[in-house]
Amino acid sequence: GDSVTQMEGPVTLSEEAFLTINCTYTATGYPSLFWYVQYPGEGLQLLLKATKADDKGSNKGFEATYRKETTSFHLEKGSVQVSDSAVYFCALLNTGFQKLVFGTGTRLLVSP
Amino acid sequence: DAMVIQNPRYQVTQFGKPVTLSCSQTLNHNVMYWYQQKSSQAPKLLFHYYDKDFNNEADTPDNFQSRRPNTSFCFLDIRSPGLGDAAMYLCATSRETSGAAFFGQGTRLTVV
Repeated sequence: GDSVTQMEGPVTLSEEAFLTINCTYTATGYPSLFWYVQYPGEGLQLLLKATKADDKGSNKGFEATYRKETTSFHLEKGSVQVSDSAVYFCALLNTGFQKLVFGTGTRLLVSP
Repeated sequence: DAMVIQNPRYQVTQFGKPVTLSCSQTLNHNVMYWYQQKSSQAPKLLFHYYDKDFNNEADTPDNFQSRRPNTSFCFLDIRSPGLGDAAMYLCATSRETSGAAFFGQGTRLTVV
């Protein structure tokens, strides 16, 4: 079945450091890919998405490129802030099945 | 403006006492999901509605039921909550073609 694998956390960075959180997927067909962010005690917020190969999703300085050849969707940000501290979930949607499949989440901790 | 609203944000129930969590949406999305999220874990899909069609995950306990009386509302009923059902419950909606799911803020359920 479809699955998403994320790097384990926590990822600990200093403010203004470069961020990469790895995500790879296994899916039949051509899924859409997403990054969601969850702040403590809150629901998930959509951060960015990409619906086909080579698409780049971007939002709030975060970027991820849909790489079909490597089945990856790594999240990057050039300069993190303390306010970026949260848990980040990579997810895929295989529209034929109408449900999101999440990775296990990666906690990001940014210190001043 | 909240688009997916979950009530209440926090719910305390007694062991074995039925409890209902509610979700409403203003997005007119045809798909609604219920996820269970335990601490430091990925959200786990319990079931979803595609319009009025109910889709139960194979491993969702019978203790969990759902109702969707109309497009805007969806309820999660836990018939006899156990201590292991304490979790954050997340409602989400999506429009089939876009696939991006929008989440509510969640209801944190405590079982005493």
